[in-house]
Amino acid sequence: DQQVKQNSPSLSVQEGRISILNCDYTNSMFDYFLWYKKYPAEGPTFLISISSIKDKNEDGRFTVFLNKSAKHLSLHIVPSQPGDSAVYFCAATTSGTYKYIFGTGTRLKVLA
Amino acid sequence: DTGVSQNPRHKITKRGQNVTFRCDPISEHNRLYWYRQTLGQGPEFLTYFQNEAQLEKSRLLSDRFSAERPKGSFSTLEIQRTEQGDSAMYLCASRSTVNTEAFFGQGTRLTVV
Repeated sequence: DQQVKQNSPSLSVQEGRISILNCDYTNSMFDYFLWYKKYPAEGPTFLISISSIKDKNEDGRFTVFLNKSAKHLSLHIVPSQPGDSAVYFCAATTSGTYKYIFGTGTRLKVLA
Repeated sequence: DTGVSQNPRHKITKRGQNVTFRCDPISEHNRLYWYRQTLGQGPEFLTYFQNEAQLEKSRLLSDRFSAERPKGSFSTLEIQRTEQGDSAMYLCASRSTVNTEAFFGQGTRLTVV
């Protein structure tokens, strides 16, 4: 039972354009969502998060949008840079359980 | 460097041997997690500590796996009688009481031959 789904295994974007990574979840009890970036042979690095009481959170080039009714969130990166090329994981958690449920990741390639 | 530290980075072992990994969390973080990641998958939750107490253990974790955090600081993850299916990246993460985001170490890549 995959509670957090990232249906696009890969995405290619031109440098300077917008990258949009999508994530869907099934458990309505999730109330906090996070995005992590992972380079090969390294651990995941925290990027940005959003609470279920918000529908948008912005941090520099990164914006996360949450649509609770659709159980969908997305990460927007603009402008995309070659250094953004990595695997991006969406994660969800419920207050009180503390553990994260991760999606399978989307590999982003930003073309120079 | 004050990030999460994991040792060793790589471990190759023969099937049937025992292995132990160590995680040193960020010093002020009282919450510590172990995750496992296999190729093409996201990290999968294994277990969670708050200080020295192990509060949750995944049902997917067999009895061959055990984790400790004896003084609420570093943690160890032991796998007994390793099997080829145990080959994976083992990730440790820590977080503080205040923040919800966890910070991950670089992982220990285990290969069972």
